[in-house]
Amino acid sequence: DTAVSQTPKYLVTQMGNDKSIKCEQNLGHDTMYWYKQDSKKFLKIMFSYNNKELIINETVPNRFSPKSPDKAHLNLHINSLELGDSAVYFCASSQRGQNTEAFFGQGTRLTVV
Amino acid sequence: AQSVAQPEDQVNVAEGNPLTVKCTYSVSGNPYLFWYVQYPNRGLQFLLKYITGDNLVKGSYGFEAEFNKSQTSFHLKKPSALVSDSALYFCASFSGGYNKLIFGAGTRLAVHP
Repeated sequence: DTAVSQTPKYLVTQMGNDKSIKCEQNLGHDTMYWYKQDSKKFLKIMFSYNNKELIINETVPNRFSPKSPDKAHLNLHINSLELGDSAVYFCASSQRGQNTEAFFGQGTRLTVV
Repeated sequence: AQSVAQPEDQVNVAEGNPLTVKCTYSVSGNPYLFWYVQYPNRGLQFLLKYITGDNLVKGSYGFEAEFNKSQTSFHLKKPSALVSDSALYFCASFSGGYNKLIFGAGTRLAVHP
């Protein structure tokens, strides 16, 4: 069974569209994240949720709206997509606490044309 | 601000030789340090972590890392490199009191036959 799964794996869309990426974890973790990996492979945290509550929002444009219907799911909705949003988006989960490793999904490669 | 640095963009090593991928950190309080590996078109996989205790940490696939407090370093090592170890390696640390994993810029390891 996949521990952290994201859908879709690839997403190609036009500028101005709205799209969503879904994430689910079956590890029983309390905390979930969204990370963005740019074309230079640099990884930056976007959001962190703990038990459905937003705890980190790293100055991400408000076109990005995470939603956590329960602690096993953290979806990412993006409005009015821009060319600069093209990247790979990773979902991850962990137990709460600084000594616990995060488990990552396989990523969603978003291409805005 | 908390940060993690990987000074080398790329490391080249011949198969069978020892490898080292460097990481230095700047964190306040106790450092919680991690290494992850990313294979092409895949998510990040956890290799090992340092929380406290022994300075030499052993992890997956024969990798180990040495924590050095005086040099604020956490270098990843392997005694004998394999071609299949070729991948992108990330050092990471938890930042502050939050579940916020910050990453270095990544080091591409190329192991040549």
